[in-house]
Amino acid sequence: DSGVTQTPKHLITATGQRVTLRCSPRSGDLSVYWYQQSLDQGLQFLIQYYNGEERAKGNILERFSAQQFPDLHSELNLSSLELGDSALYFCASSAELAGGQETQYFGPGTRLLVL
Amino acid sequence: SQQGEEDPQALSIQEGENATMNCSYKTSINNLQWYRQNSGRGLVHLILIRSNEREKHSGRLRVTLDTSKKSSSLLITASRAADTASYFCAMVPGAGSYQLTFGKGTKLSVIP
Repeated sequence: DSGVTQTPKHLITATGQRVTLRCSPRSGDLSVYWYQQSLDQGLQFLIQYYNGEERAKGNILERFSAQQFPDLHSELNLSSLELGDSALYFCASSAELAGGQETQYFGPGTRLLVL
Repeated sequence: SQQGEEDPQALSIQEGENATMNCSYKTSINNLQWYRQNSGRGLVHLILIRSNEREKHSGRLRVTLDTSKKSSSLLITASRAADTASYFCAMVPGAGSYQLTFGKGTKLSVIP
């Protein structure tokens, strides 16, 4: 158990809908990362938050957004869903150590199926 | 793209044998990490090797890093059926950058 929790575990929805994925980082970790894993694209970095502020953006679509709250949990919002958004969405967290040489700890993921 | 390339894509071995997986990347890195993923589950961090390190051990795992060749290898010794999983290398591109860029993974099957 990594200490990172994600809800829900599974989500089935229809095209055009909007969903929210939730992540609670490990106790004390200030950084939260979101990744998408799909069969064709593999594991891709979406976005990173550090202590409530957006730090880095990867291949995140404009239809997707995220935020990190004062209690450090994070939410990933996916809107106008398309069939191709079906994937495993992972959240990871890390402690900010000097030099950025830290390990990222991954949650169990949310499996999203868009029908 | 910094995305790593693992080799082989799939590997099947007998229990007790050693398994070697390789990862190559394109540009300079801050550190390189190896993760394991059991089918459809979350990723488990195995080991992190910094760009100024050449070899690191953790239990039955041995990781090497050759920055001149931009490659890394993961060796699992005395494999067990429970080692069956996908293994990914992930790069942190440079100082001040913390997001991981993953390779496509090696699917390891250990036959009892």
